[in-house]
Amino acid sequence: NAGVTQTPKFQVLKTGQSMTLQCAQDMNHNSMYWYRQDPGMGLRLIYYSASEGTTDKGEVPNGYNVSRLNKREFSLRLESAAPSQTSVYFCASSESWTATEAFFGQGTRLTVV
Amino acid sequence: GIQVEQSPPDLILQEGANSTLRCNFSDSVNNLQWFHQNPWGQLINLFYIPSGTKQNGRLSATTVATERYSLLYISSSQTTDSGVYFCAVLGYSTLTFGKGTMLLVSP
Repeated sequence: NAGVTQTPKFQVLKTGQSMTLQCAQDMNHNSMYWYRQDPGMGLRLIYYSASEGTTDKGEVPNGYNVSRLNKREFSLRLESAAPSQTSVYFCASSESWTATEAFFGQGTRLTVV
Repeated sequence: GIQVEQSPPDLILQEGANSTLRCNFSDSVNNLQWFHQNPWGQLINLFYIPSGTKQNGRLSATTVATERYSLLYISSSQTTDSGVYFCAVLGYSTLTFGKGTMLLVSP
């Protein structure tokens, strides 16, 4: 069992470039999440998908789009990267969005120059 | 939304010492988790503890949901315990994190 797998692990982008962060889980979980972590800020929710076919905004959604491709996969897209999006991005999944344990991927370190 | 406050923000210990980390939250929660983020950035699940007390080796946690706080106890600390400890709570639909406690255990 790999758990939650994110790709890539590291990425450097130029301002204005686009990219997609991939996330896949093999735990048959219904809910998936994207967080960003900035120094001193803890983790903040960008978007989440409570179940296949649904997506909702979190605390900091501006500049991002998401796609719940199927039950296993949840991608995060930056259409036009900005230096303010330099961060570490974490994907997570849980059995449901109410009262169940969440598991995190290993993170993607993104730098926008 | 729910507010989550962790204390202390930083903690330095000598190896072998004990410590208590606290997490206060502002509203009723359906779930509470403790994570350890190691120096390589990996988030490791420590406890899923919406209420009650759990123990895992040298670590234990207690959540008193009615009083809106949780405590993480680390006994006989080791250098490998260094890192950031996060508390995260689930309110209506999403997991909200505190800003963490950075722990440094020196030999």
